[in-house]
Amino acid sequence: GAVVSQHPSWVICKSGTSVKIECRSLDFQATTMFWYRQFPKQSLMLMATSNEGSKATYEQGVEKDKFLINHASLTLSTLTVTSAHPEDSSFYICSARDPRDPANYGYTFGSGTRLTVV
Amino acid sequence: KQEVTQIPAALSVPEGENLVLNCSFTDSAIYNLQWFRQDPGKGLTSLLLIQSSQREQTSGRLNASLDKSSGRSTLYIAASQPGDSATYLCAVISGGSYIPTFGRGTSLIVHP
Repeated sequence: GAVVSQHPSWVICKSGTSVKIECRSLDFQATTMFWYRQFPKQSLMLMATSNEGSKATYEQGVEKDKFLINHASLTLSTLTVTSAHPEDSSFYICSARDPRDPANYGYTFGSGTRLTVV
Repeated sequence: KQEVTQIPAALSVPEGENLVLNCSFTDSAIYNLQWFRQDPGKGLTSLLLIQSSQREQTSGRLNASLDKSSGRSTLYIAASQPGDSATYLCAVISGGSYIPTFGRGTSLIVHP
């Protein structure tokens, strides 16, 4: 089945620094990937849709300059949290849909990244 | 705008019980519905996907049903085990954007 790898699993950074999170589709090409944020005991909130070769589409209320998304290849999307602050601490998860199975349009998720900003 | 509600929010049961988790959605024009499991601090693992034309899907002790007209899906877990303890999320994929809308999940604890 489709596999999405996310790295790192957890990261601790100082306030004001930037952190990059990678999302890779291992056995399929993903023209579109999705980035979610999850607060404790809450559901997943879609932050942005990452499109290979073009600009990402951000959901309302998500700061484009704070959360930079780059989708430079068909297997890799990156999310960079710039000038991180403690309120950016959260669980970030990426997702992709395997185009080889269009009938199902099932989503595969990465293992998530726990970001803690101190 | 699609809204997804999951009931109950939390559930604690003894091992061996049969369980029913509920998911309801407001817009019945869906493409498919997917059930996920999430362990603490982990990503999502897909359990079952039901296309809009299907009524149910089964995998081992799990059975998911879909009633599109009433905007409901249920996840049935037979003979629950402590290893089933996790949060179960329901995601509805609507036509057009094909981006899933998630419920808040049901936190399940199965104690020995």
